[in-house]
Amino acid sequence: QKEVEQDPGPLSVPEGAIVSLNCTYSNSAFQYFMWYRQYSRKGPELLMYTYSSGNKEDGRFTAQVDKSSKYISLFIRDSQPSDSATYLCAMTAGGGADGLTFGKGTHLIIQP
Amino acid sequence: ETGVTQSPTHLIKTRGQQVTLRCSSQSGHNTVSWYQQALGQGPQFIFQYYREEENGRGNFPPRFSGLQFPNYSSELNVNALELDDSALYLCASSPDPILVNTEAFFGQGTRLTVV
Repeated sequence: QKEVEQDPGPLSVPEGAIVSLNCTYSNSAFQYFMWYRQYSRKGPELLMYTYSSGNKEDGRFTAQVDKSSKYISLFIRDSQPSDSATYLCAMTAGGGADGLTFGKGTHLIIQP
Repeated sequence: ETGVTQSPTHLIKTRGQQVTLRCSSQSGHNTVSWYQQALGQGPQFIFQYYREEENGRGNFPPRFSGLQFPNYSSELNVNALELDDSALYLCASSPDPILVNTEAFFGQGTRLTVV
């Protein structure tokens, strides 16, 4: 079993829909949780990060972490065609030197 | 733009050869991490440098090595290339070793193909 599981998709939704992206993980030491967006042929771009359990909102994006279930989510409201990309969840125990553990990424397609 | 640049953007090498990939971090960013992203996979942590010293390493063999320089540039060296080394190599810089993972800015990557 991989440390971080993420459905690779593709996930195709119509413009304006609410998108839900999820990851599960097995390492209970993880405390920092991040979502990255990666366009084709580009490096990952940090969207949001959350420490421990709880919710965090930034514009159209909401990140949720449930440490008891080892489950994290990213919600995108009013999805736009420009949101079409691969979304990667990443997490770390902290301390800096461990690096990030990424999921495989979910390929999201927003249909105009 | 993240201010992190990598060179070259694409590279083709032959199995057994050696390769050096370069990364230029944002000014003031004293921490750099390198990741390998195979096709269809998430990035995998190779190692991290803080103030020119390696201070963290993932599950990669010693033929993957690095250097970090005082001018915020760094290198990833891979010896004895194998076909499985074909991947996108990403560097990420951060202004602070504590925030290294929550404020990591990635470059656009170098696509390495080993034939």
